[in-house]
Amino acid sequence: TQLLEQSPQFLSIQEGENLTVYCNSSSVFSSLQWYRQEPGEGPVLLVTVVTGGEVKKLKRLTFQFGDARKDSSLHITAAQPGDTGLYLCAGHYMEYGNKLVFGAGTILRVKS
Amino acid sequence: ETGVTQTPRHLVMGMTNKKSLKCEQHLGHNAMYWYKQSAKKPLELMFVYSLEERVENNSVPSRFSPECPNSSHLFLHLHTLQPEDSALYLCASSQLGLVGGELFFGEGSRLTVL
Repeated sequence: TQLLEQSPQFLSIQEGENLTVYCNSSSVFSSLQWYRQEPGEGPVLLVTVVTGGEVKKLKRLTFQFGDARKDSSLHITAAQPGDTGLYLCAGHYMEYGNKLVFGAGTILRVKS
Repeated sequence: ETGVTQTPRHLVMGMTNKKSLKCEQHLGHNAMYWYKQSAKKPLELMFVYSLEERVENNSVPSRFSPECPNSSHLFLHLHTLQPEDSALYLCASSQLGLVGGELFFGEGSRLTVL
């Protein structure tokens, strides 16, 4: 089993729909990051959350960090084809010397 | 050039070949990383260099040999690889000491081992 679970693994939706991607762990994060990776590119940081219960917004993207700092979600409103890509969450784990661990990612495809 | 650049972008090699991947960062960061990305699997951290000193080696087979001659350059030397080593190899850099520090990735080198 992976330390950090992402769900769903794959999501295919129509333009204009809303979606939520989840990132869960049984261990506590000192901080958590969300990255997006487009085909042929490396991952690019979208946001870092540090405080339990924190909510950050980036245009149509809303990121939430769980109160216990063990989970996070990414919600996209009115998805567009440009949102297509691999979404990765990555957490710094206090009990592992603040090591950064990545989830397997969620592949999002938005059809026009 | 800005950011993190990797060369080559694509590499096909036989199991008996010797090749190298190159990474260069222009961000003034003090740490550099090699990650392996395979389909449907989490990014696997292979090596970390901090101030040109290797600080992490995650049980990577000896057929992968990293080299960090200075804080801006990182190499991954490859020899006698196996087909299961085919993957996207990502280089990243960061500034250590920052809470929740951001990783800056290159575009990756797509490796195919025949």
